[in-house]
Amino acid sequence: RKEVEQDPGPFNVPEGATVAFNCTYSNSASQSFFWYRQDCRKEPKLLMSVYSSGNEDGRFTAQLNRASQYISLLIRDSKLSDSATYLCVVYTGGFKTIFGAGTRLFVKA
Amino acid sequence: SQTIHQWPATLVQPVGSPLSLECTVEGTSNPNLYWYRQAAGRGLQLLFYSVGIGQISSEVPQNLSASRPQDRQFILSSKKLLLSDSGFYLCAWSVLRGRSGETQYFGPGTRLLVL
Repeated sequence: RKEVEQDPGPFNVPEGATVAFNCTYSNSASQSFFWYRQDCRKEPKLLMSVYSSGNEDGRFTAQLNRASQYISLLIRDSKLSDSATYLCVVYTGGFKTIFGAGTRLFVKA
Repeated sequence: SQTIHQWPATLVQPVGSPLSLECTVEGTSNPNLYWYRQAAGRGLQLLFYSVGIGQISSEVPQNLSASRPQDRQFILSSKKLLLSDSGFYLCAWSVLRGRSGETQYFGPGTRLLVL
């Protein structure tokens, strides 16, 4: 089993749609969680951290379920510029950060 | 603010040739530094990390090596490239923040094609 698993997609959605991605992790001792965004042929960039109580940043909402060991990202009112690959990232302690392989999102006009 | 630089941006090298990729960080002291490789359409594979000058930990045994000659400089090298070394090489820095864990920030990457 992979340490961090994501549905690779692609998710094809129209502008204005709401889309959700899930991610599961295997290490129950994982300490902190993040979503990164990676545009085609570019470096990953931090989108947001994920907190146990859930957190929101504009159109983006992240949730963490420690009991079930999954993380989610909800994007509301999708924009063309949201098209990218979204990486689920789990910090397990020390110097170990695990990056998921990513979920590809295409937002169409 | 902190910035991270990588060069070159792209590189085409023949099989068997040497490699040297450089990464430098500005605006922070004693960062943790990382080298990752991303094959086309795949996730990030951690190659090396460093917590200080001269301190290198290797995650994947292969024909690559890393060095940290200065606090904010991280170099990835190879004596003889293989076809399988092709990929997108990313340098990242972080500062551990206790229980908040670690957030990594990436450089723009070097795209390497070995022919």
